[in-house]
Amino acid sequence: SYELTQPPSVSVSPGQTASITCSRNKLERTPTSWYQQKAGQPPILVIYEDNKRPSGIPERFSGSYSGNTATLTISDTQAIDDADYYCQAWDSRAYYVFGDGTRLTVL
Amino acid sequence: EVQLVESGGGLVQPGGSLRLSCTASGFTFGSHAMSWVRQAPGKGLQWVSSISVGGGATFYADSVEGRFTLSRDNDKSTLYLQMNGLRGEDTARYYCVKERIEMVIGIEGMDVWGQGTTVTVSS
Repeated sequence: SYELTQPPSVSVSPGQTASITCSRNKLERTPTSWYQQKAGQPPILVIYEDNKRPSGIPERFSGSYSGNTATLTISDTQAIDDADYYCQAWDSRAYYVFGDGTRLTVL
Repeated sequence: EVQLVESGGGLVQPGGSLRLSCTASGFTFGSHAMSWVRQAPGKGLQWVSSISVGGGATFYADSVEGRFTLSRDNDKSTLYLQMNGLRGEDTARYYCVKERIEMVIGIEGMDVWGQGTTVTVSS
């Protein structure tokens, strides 16, 4: 089966850089999207096609891909970035797959 | 304003059926693939099903294949999810979502999400 593995939690101090990884167990190369979800709200797309930001998403959000791992990086992390983050990719057999999510805590 | 509004959720007994609807506005509905994503209480996001722009191609998660049917009416800008044989593990909030890019699926992610509708399967 196609799986995307994320760390369950990441902690960061305000102003520091947070990195959340998303490793895939297959080498099929399809773009990764990232979503932010705050409590009680639907998710928001923050990164698409590995490293592109939708309009309205702050520049401190960036994405990258290397090997079989996608990474979401949040620079100058702020209290409002405290949320759950999910990676997502398309697989030709499993179709859409989400990672299990990472709880980002801004201490 | 681009908007997706879900309806049709509720309490249903195991083995029962529900039909969810999603009404779209603010964009050319017929130019975008659409999907349903669900989230069980306290759990992560789970993709459920997707449909191509014309409705000719549908995709399902293994967990719902054969029980759920996804369809769309482009004239009414509405997406439907018929759910049969419901189980306790189908209990979740169901989100209607729009593909960011026109015509294709799986490339640029999902850029518009509805507020969701809650499905509870319990006796």
